[in-house]
Order: sequence, then C-alpha cells, then structure tokens
Amino acid sequence: GENVEQHPSTLSVQEGDSAVIKCTYSDSASNYFPWYKQELGKRPQLIIDIRSNVGEKKDQRIAVTLNKTAKHFSLHITETQPEDSAVYFCAAGKSNFGNEKLTFGTGTRLTIIP
Amino acid sequence: NAGVTQTPKFRILKIGQSMTLQCTQDMNHNYMYWYRQDPGMGLKLIYYSVGAGITDKGEVPNGYNVSRSTTEDFPLRLELAAPSQTSVYFCASSRVTGGSGGAETQYFGPGTRLLVL
Repeated sequence: GENVEQHPSTLSVQEGDSAVIKCTYSDSASNYFPWYKQELGKRPQLIIDIRSNVGEKKDQRIAVTLNKTAKHFSLHITETQPEDSAVYFCAAGKSNFGNEKLTFGTGTRLTIIP
Repeated sequence: NAGVTQTPKFRILKIGQSMTLQCTQDMNHNYMYWYRQDPGMGLKLIYYSVGAGITDKGEVPNGYNVSRSTTEDFPLRLELAAPSQTSVYFCASSRVTGGSGGAETQYFGPGTRLLVL
C-alpha cells in the first residue's frame, strides 16, 4: 500500500519568515495530495490540495509544489504569522475503482516565534 | 449545514466494555471514513464506506466494526475495549463522483476522545 513520509517532525520559524514542509510518497498511482492543518484540540481542516496534472498551486501565503518524477510534494508558507502555529499533515490518495482513500503523513508541528 | 458531527465528545471506558461512536453528515456525501489519531501521531484509517451498505477495512481495523445503513450515518463499534484503543477518533466524509479524477477533499468531524482504563 501507499506510504507517506513527512519531514521535519517539528519546525520553528521567526514570524515573517517562510516555512517549508516536505513529503514523499511511494505509490506512483497516487494522484491527489491534500494538506491539512490541525490546531490543538481541533479537527484537521484542508488548507490546500493539488492533483497530479498540476505542478504548483498557490492560495495567498500558501503554496504546494509536486514533483511526480521524484514522488515528493511540499508545502510552502510565506510571511508566517502566529496563527500559522499548528500541526500540518500531508496526505496522498488515488482513484482506485471506488476505493478512494487517503494515506496521511505523521505530521509537522510548526511553531511561529513572535 | 452542520457538516460532520460526532458523539460523544469524550468517554471513559473500562477494559472489556463496549460502545458505539456516532457519526452523522448532512452534506449528502457518499464516502465516509473512521480514523484514529494517537498522541503526536498522524491519522490511521480504521474503516471506510463508499456508500450505504458498503464498508471496507482500512489500515487498523482489528477490534472495531462498522455499519452504513444510511447515507448520513456511519457508527463505529468497539466490542471489547482495550487500553490500546485509547485515542482520538475522527469521522470524515467526502463526495466522490465518477468524473472526479481521484480522491476528494475529506471533511472531518470534531472528534471523540476515548480513554480505556
């Protein structure tokens, strides 16, 4: 089955700096790559996603890049703010004759230092 | 829309007891999922359902059972609670169509925190 590895497990950046979180996946058939943000004690919420027919996607301060050849994708957060502090999860999924499901990475705890 | 709702929010069980975690969604999503999240860890898929009457095992199904009699509800049953089942349980749903071209955004419920002593 699919295996998703996520690095780093913890990341601290100064407010205003950029943060980058990287994930690799094992199944070349995976074609959907979402990123979820989970604040302490809350549910995971989608912040951005990308499909395999696109190399990059941006939404204001957040961007995701995908390298299908190398089977890795990354989350980029620019101009970080205190409210960006949370745990971020990457995931990989694929359409497989009605068995669509996601495999999640182990998460990155991002701390923004004021 | 309330989205995905879960009950209870928190429960303490004794070893060997049973309980059902409830999950309901009002978005007419066809796919529903159950995950567990252990402290400091990611989400592991327990069971999922692609529609009413259809369920399948995920990565960690042992000790759990599910049913899907309606589109809206997807309860998770623990028959003989064990300390290893202490975790936070999240239900999620998504809408997958034939032309979606892949897995779709999953919307999560608020979670149920379960402690087995």
